[in-house]
Amino acid sequence: GDSVTQMEGPVTLSEEAFLTINCTYTATGYPSLFWYVQYPGEGLQLLLKATKADDKGSNKGFEATYRKETTSFHLEKGSVQVSDSAVYFCALWGDTGFQKLVFGTGTRLLVSP
Amino acid sequence: GAVVSQHPSRVICKSGTSVKIECRSLDFQATTMFWYRQFPKQSLMLMATSNEGSKATYEQGVEKDKFLINHASLTLSTLTVTSAHPEDSSFYICSALGQPNTEAFFGQGTRLTVV
Repeated sequence: GDSVTQMEGPVTLSEEAFLTINCTYTATGYPSLFWYVQYPGEGLQLLLKATKADDKGSNKGFEATYRKETTSFHLEKGSVQVSDSAVYFCALWGDTGFQKLVFGTGTRLLVSP
Repeated sequence: GAVVSQHPSRVICKSGTSVKIECRSLDFQATTMFWYRQFPKQSLMLMATSNEGSKATYEQGVEKDKFLINHASLTLSTLTVTSAHPEDSSFYICSALGQPNTEAFFGQGTRLTVV
């Protein structure tokens, strides 16, 4: 079945550092890919998405490119802020079979001043 | 963007009682809603998929008689935790499927504590 693998956390960075959170997936067909962010005690917010190969999703300085050849959707940001500290989930929405979001395990990001 | 409202955000109940959690899509109609459970520092575990006007589809290992799901309208789904026990304490999150069925919008989550 479909699955998503994310890098283990926590990722600890200083403010203004470059961020990469790796995400790879396994799926049949052509899934849509998402990054969600969860702040402490809250639900999930959609950060960005890409629905087809080579699409780049971007929002709030974050970006991720749908790479079908490497089955990856790595999240990047050039300069992180303390306010970016949260848990980030990579997810896919398959286009075959019973449709539901499949989540990675989440990566906690801690940004210090 | 579309808004999903989940209520209550926090609830404390005694063992043996039942708790109802509501999930509403405020500005769109959602034929499909999902209910998740999240343990501390873990990912979301899908509990069930709720379709308006029909019975929910439960994931393997989820007790349907304990976690009652009702999706009576296109904007409201409810999850009732029946005869709650301390091990049911968790963070419950709902999401609603927007159109054209390529994006899910999430509620704020409900922190359930059973004492």
